[in-house]
Formats: sequence, structure tokens, C-alpha cells
Amino acid sequence: DVKVTQSSRYLVKRTGEKVFLECVQDMDHENMFWYRQDPGLGLRLIYFSYDVKMKEKGDIPEGYSVSREKKERFSLILESASTNQTSMYLCASNAPGEYSGNTIYFGEGSWLTVV
Amino acid sequence: RKEVEQDPGPFNVPEGATVAFNCTYSNSASQSFFWYRQDCRKEPKLLMSVYSSGNEDGRFTAQLNRASQYISLLIRDSKLSDSATYLCVVTLPTDSWGKLQFGAGTQVVVTP
Repeated sequence: DVKVTQSSRYLVKRTGEKVFLECVQDMDHENMFWYRQDPGLGLRLIYFSYDVKMKEKGDIPEGYSVSREKKERFSLILESASTNQTSMYLCASNAPGEYSGNTIYFGEGSWLTVV
Repeated sequence: RKEVEQDPGPFNVPEGATVAFNCTYSNSASQSFFWYRQDCRKEPKLLMSVYSSGNEDGRFTAQLNRASQYISLLIRDSKLSDSATYLCVVTLPTDSWGKLQFGAGTQVVVTP
């Protein structure tokens, strides 16, 4: 069974803290993504990576950074958490190309509250 | 303007009824189309791909209208378990890395 695992499901952090969200996939996918999902706004892409050590900014990269040192692992970093980063964060992976839309798999989500 | 737009709903549907809703996309070069389902506080999961000729999967029918730039999803004989948010997903040829464009979702609530 394919799997995208987000290690932290529920976190509460203080403003200014550094936050790490970890994601691991076991499908040998080239692409990995970090989205945030907020009511009424849908999924918004923060960063994506198409290969080890490669990253591209998505639609809302401000306040975030990422790290991909190994193919299976993609980390999202909030350098200094702020209350407007309270959200659900979804990691995903897929294979590139024509079938990217029906090969994308999501982790269960990380619910982050910044107080 | 958003790339992919959906009526947020909710669509309140009696059990056994039919419900249909659309998703519009702005880029005429959009290449591939999908419907995803998301249950409350869960991750999105693929429901079905949408093919040019239209396609069915059991009680679900998806259609693509390229001329008017929308896709649709129809659910027949609605079940309580169909209650969820349905996300429209579109890919562009320029998204060669597999980036997807998501709609914000249409909520469907099936009532007894």
C-alpha cells in the first residue's frame, strides 16, 4: 500500500518558534510538494521539489523554506512561526508527466496552531 | 482570477437523489482533469480522471466541456457516505514537473 507519512499530525507552537514538518514517501516518486489548506482558499502550493536538493517556489513561499536531502524525504521549515501560519499542511508526492494528476498521493495532514 | 473555480456549496442532497456540480478553469491550454474527494479533516484522494469523451465510474459521471472550459461531476443515487468535499484538479502542459491546480472544493451533504 502506497504511503506518504507526515510525522506530526497535531502541533501547537509559539510565535517565533522554528517549526519542522517532516514528510516521507515510499513510492520512489521524483516530485514532492507542500501545500497548506485553509477554509475557502483550497490547497495552495508552498514549495515543490522535483529531485533531491532541487526546489521550486510555489504560490505562497514567504515565511517557509524546504529541504530535500534524500529522495524519500521532504521537510517544510517555518523559520519563525507566526499566527497567520496556523493551518493544515499537506505533503504530497507524484510522478512527473502525463499521469501526474492521478498518481498524486497525500499525507494525512499536519494541523499546526501558532499561538 | 483563480485558475480553477468551484461553487463552494454546500449542496444539500436527499439520500437517493442526484446531484451535479461544475468546475471552471481559466486556461484553455489545460491538459488533464481530475476529481478528488476529501473527507472532513482528511487528505484528498483521487475519485476519478475526466476524459474528453466523458466517463463513468459506478454512480459517478464526469464530463469535460473544452469549449466552455468546465468539467462536471454527477452523482446518482446519493449515499450518506458521499458526503464530502469534491476538489477539481487541472494540469497545464507547462507544469511538466507534475504541479497541479486545485479548486477550493464543492461541499456535498447527503441527508437521510
